[in-house]
Amino acid sequence: AQSVAQPEDQVNVAEGNPLTVKCTYSVSGNPYLFWYVQYPNRGLQFLLKYITGDNLVKGSYGFEAEFNKSQTSFHLKKPSALVSDSALYFCAVRDMETGGFKTIFGAGTRLFVKA
Amino acid sequence: DSGVTQTPKHLITATGQRVTLRCSPRSGDLSVYWYQQSLDQGLQFLIQYYNGEERAKGNILERFSAQQFPDLHSELNLSSLELGDSALYFCASSVGVQSEAFFGQGTRLTVV
Repeated sequence: AQSVAQPEDQVNVAEGNPLTVKCTYSVSGNPYLFWYVQYPNRGLQFLLKYITGDNLVKGSYGFEAEFNKSQTSFHLKKPSALVSDSALYFCAVRDMETGGFKTIFGAGTRLFVKA
Repeated sequence: DSGVTQTPKHLITATGQRVTLRCSPRSGDLSVYWYQQSLDQGLQFLIQYYNGEERAKGNILERFSAQQFPDLHSELNLSSLELGDSALYFCASSVGVQSEAFFGQGTRLTVV
């Protein structure tokens, strides 16, 4: 079975500092990986995805993620955090065993950026 | 605005009742996904349709059912509601399996 894990419930970082939100996955084939962000009382918003190609993927709002096949990780990063980045972040993997129609989400990591 | 429309935004109903949640996907998107988000269980995949056909099923209760209509809008039916069904229900749509999903604003269901 395919799965995705976000080992940290919460990440705290000071504004201006780099941030990392961790994600590891388990799939049987090639992974399709995604990051989403959820602001309070809002739906999830797509940040970036990895399907194939360069291991470093750039996305919205200055975020990027690094795909590491040997470590089965897809950590979300940003060089300089903003207070407005405070939100709930979800990593997701698309289950290609079922034809790619089922996307499995991690439990989410709450990011707090302090001014 | 993601382009995915969910109605209603809020719903309060009593235990034992039945409700229908509606989703209109983004124009051109053939896939529709339904998720349940509760405080203690995170985002749970319920069911997915592609161009009118059910393609994947998650942890969806037998009391719940869904369908996607020829015009591609989808409905999630929840029956014999229990207090534990109170949650935020999200619909999302995508063009295909390699595409990211776009989420609606959700329907907040409160069962009293």
